[in-house]
Amino acid sequence: GDSVTQMEGPVTLSEEAFLTINCTYTATGYPSLFWYVQYPGEGLQLLLKATKADDKGSNKGFEATYRKETTSFHLEKGSVQVSDSAVYFCALGNTGTASKLTFGTGTRLQVTL
Amino acid sequence: DAGVIQSPRHEVTEMGQEVTLRCKPISGHDYLFWYRQTMMRGLELLIYFNNNVPIDDSGMPEDRFSAKMPNASFSTLKIQPSEPRDSAVYFCASRLGGRDNSPLHFGNGTRLTVT
Repeated sequence: GDSVTQMEGPVTLSEEAFLTINCTYTATGYPSLFWYVQYPGEGLQLLLKATKADDKGSNKGFEATYRKETTSFHLEKGSVQVSDSAVYFCALGNTGTASKLTFGTGTRLQVTL
Repeated sequence: DAGVIQSPRHEVTEMGQEVTLRCKPISGHDYLFWYRQTMMRGLELLIYFNNNVPIDDSGMPEDRFSAKMPNASFSTLKIQPSEPRDSAVYFCASRLGGRDNSPLHFGNGTRLTVT
């Protein structure tokens, strides 16, 4: 079945550091890929998405490129801020699994001054 | 749009009591999902509906859990009787259509504590 694997957290960075959170997936067909972010006390919200190979999703300085050859969708940001501290979830949506999104376990990011 | 609305935000109850969580999806969305989030198990899908009809309830942990969607704008998740291990944050989410690239919209969750 479909699955998503994320790097273990927590990830602790200083402000303005470069961020990479790794995400790899296993799926049949051509899934869509998502990154969601969860701030403390809130629900998950969509950060960015990509629907086909080589697409790049971007939002709020975050980027992720859909790499079919490596089945990866790594999240990057060039310069993180304290306000980026949150939990980040990688997810995939596949027509083979009806309407369910498959989520990774989440990676907690802590950014310090 | 107000987004997905859940109530209550916090619920504290004693073991054995009935608990009802409520959700109002985004207007026009035809899919509704209930998730549970804990530190130990992460984010778990409990059940989802399409056009008010339950499609997959394989994630519902026990018969103590039940969910209904009497109309397109309201859903409930009930736990009866509640147990301490049910303590978690419960999220409702909705989605427009079943296309694999349509995102989920989450509510802010209900934090349930069963003592």
